[in-house]
Amino acid sequence: GQNIDQPTEMTATEGAIVQINCTYQTSGFNGLFWYQQHAGEAPTFLSYNVLDGLEEKGRFSSFLSRSKGYSYLLLKELQMKDSASYLCAANQAGTALIFGKGTTLSVSS
Amino acid sequence: DVKVTQSSRYLVKRTGEKVFLECVQDMDHENMFWYRQDPGLGLRLIYFSYDVKMKEKGDIPEGYSVSREKKERFSLILESASTNQTSMYLCASSSREALWGELFFGEGSRLTVL
Repeated sequence: GQNIDQPTEMTATEGAIVQINCTYQTSGFNGLFWYQQHAGEAPTFLSYNVLDGLEEKGRFSSFLSRSKGYSYLLLKELQMKDSASYLCAANQAGTALIFGKGTTLSVSS
Repeated sequence: DVKVTQSSRYLVKRTGEKVFLECVQDMDHENMFWYRQDPGLGLRLIYFSYDVKMKEKGDIPEGYSVSREKKERFSLILESASTNQTSMYLCASSSREALWGELFFGEGSRLTVL
């Protein structure tokens, strides 16, 4: 089976940096994906990691440690528009993406 | 522009009715998925398909079936709707050749079963 855990809610202020953690337990792990979902909208793809290390994409970075079953999404220079749910998802070889329950991030001024 | 289109944004059905949720993608993607999303439970995988006429059960297939007769279309069927199937249903697709975990989602179909 698989299990993906991430915090339910986080708050931060504009301009700050926030780190959203995700731990996973899957068999045949094949990659870790992050999605963003604004209220009332569909999820959209943000980033992915297959190998250990940090992947940077503008203000967003994602990190993976396969040995620890751990990933995080780092958001820098937070803006109000970053208020959204952030979904961690893991892929098992031969199956579809399984999502965590999501972390709702609230950014205040 | 890539597009996944779900036939209905909002539906209201009665218990016991048969419900069809249609999803069409225009990206020639091989993979298609149906998820449901509920508060506090997140996105849960119902069924997915890697090719025409192929289907695989996800984590919560009970009470649902699917049909994939054409590459671009993936239908979710509720044979006899029940109140616990009230939910937001999200269809997604992805390419087998490109990044397989990059899912493109439709806008969702919010189903209420009375």
